[in-house]
Amino acid sequence: AQSVSQHNHHVILSEAASLELGCNYSYGGTVNLFWYVQYPGQHLQLLLKYFSGDPLVKGIKGFEAEFIKSKFSFNLRKPSVQWSDTAEYFCAVNLFNNNDMRFGAGTRLTVKP
Amino acid sequence: DAGITQSPRHKVTETGTPVTLRCHQTENHRYMYWYRQDPGHGLRLIHYSYGVKDTDKGEVSDGYSVSRSKTEDFLLTLESATSSQTSVYFCAISIAGGVRTGELFFGEGSRLTVL
Repeated sequence: AQSVSQHNHHVILSEAASLELGCNYSYGGTVNLFWYVQYPGQHLQLLLKYFSGDPLVKGIKGFEAEFIKSKFSFNLRKPSVQWSDTAEYFCAVNLFNNNDMRFGAGTRLTVKP
Repeated sequence: DAGITQSPRHKVTETGTPVTLRCHQTENHRYMYWYRQDPGHGLRLIHYSYGVKDTDKGEVSDGYSVSRSKTEDFLLTLESATSSQTSVYFCAISIAGGVRTGELFFGEGSRLTVL
């Protein structure tokens, strides 16, 4: 079945540590890729997206993600996390010419001050 | 801010009762979606709409129905609520004309508890 997998359920880091959250998908066609963030008590907001072109995309708040087509992956990175990055992060995939956006189960990030 | 409001924001109901959640947008976007969010499952698409009276099922549509009689309103109905439908429900819109071309903007969520 087509799916989106996020490898880590809960990640705990200290401030200034580097972050990498994994995301893999199993769709075989052309895809659009997204990372969303949900801060405590809030709704989801877009961090970054990839449609085509440069596989390394930059988003808000210093986040970036790399699309590796051969690995069906779209990992999220940040060189140095802050306490304010504490949130839940969702990877999402949308098939080209399809209105169905599929989300991963989410990774909860806790950043210790 | 995409002008999305959901109501009610919180509701507690009993098994077997009907429940309707409302999503209202102020900017006449064509595409609207209903998701449910559950721990360990992320967000799962229930139904979506691509215009007035045009709707389609998502991956977890059983037990839910939707209606869209006006561009600005997208209603989600649980005909007979069950405890498995206890969840947080998010409405979303796509501003770029379809999920395939743009990002989703979400409402604040409606927390439903079915006892």
